[in-house]
Amino acid sequence: ETGVTQTPRHLVMGMTNKKSLKCEQHLGHNAMYWYKQSAKKPLELMFVYNFKEQTENNSVPSRFSPECPNSSHLFLHLHTLQPEDSALYLCASSQETADSGNTIYFGEGSWLTVV
Amino acid sequence: GQNIDQPTEMTATEGAIVQINCTYQTSGFNGLFWYQQHAGEAPTFLSYNVLDGLEEKGRFSSFLSRSKGYSYLLLKELQMKDSASYLCAVKDSNYQLIWGAGTKLIIKP
Repeated sequence: ETGVTQTPRHLVMGMTNKKSLKCEQHLGHNAMYWYKQSAKKPLELMFVYNFKEQTENNSVPSRFSPECPNSSHLFLHLHTLQPEDSALYLCASSQETADSGNTIYFGEGSWLTVV
Repeated sequence: GQNIDQPTEMTATEGAIVQINCTYQTSGFNGLFWYQQHAGEAPTFLSYNVLDGLEEKGRFSSFLSRSKGYSYLLLKELQMKDSASYLCAVKDSNYQLIWGAGTKLIIKP
């Protein structure tokens, strides 16, 4: 138990579907992150929220839409995805972003398959 | 560009010692992290180095040389449960984490 909970753990969706991934952290952190993890590739940072404000969008296609209603919750809304978007999506949190020693804590991830 | 290199896969024997290397080229340096990730699970924090030298934590140690852009993770008295991927990550001058692709460690009896 890392203090970061993601749902659903597994999701299969068609290319025309709309679905959402949910993340909740119970660590009192102020920063939350979405990462994409594909096989044998480095973790790809997608979005960063610091004190509920989006501070990073790493050229992510608009078919991925993040939402951060408060510092404990983070969503990733998915719409008209492509098969190459199939991956493990990891949510993470840390005390804040701009501190060298901040450890980030990951959730278990949501396995997404686009068919 | 920014780059983190680590071996794709390593194999070691139960009870032995293994060293996983990580070299980096980043714009600035604000610390280096090692994470462990078991298959199907979340990456979990192992160590953090910001100054040169060796940090020891039980069976695991992590070393950093900033002048060489080099770190290693040393695992002693290997156990079967140490079979996992080990991720190296560096915080750059913008406090962004740059990640390596991970090293899959296979432990054999």
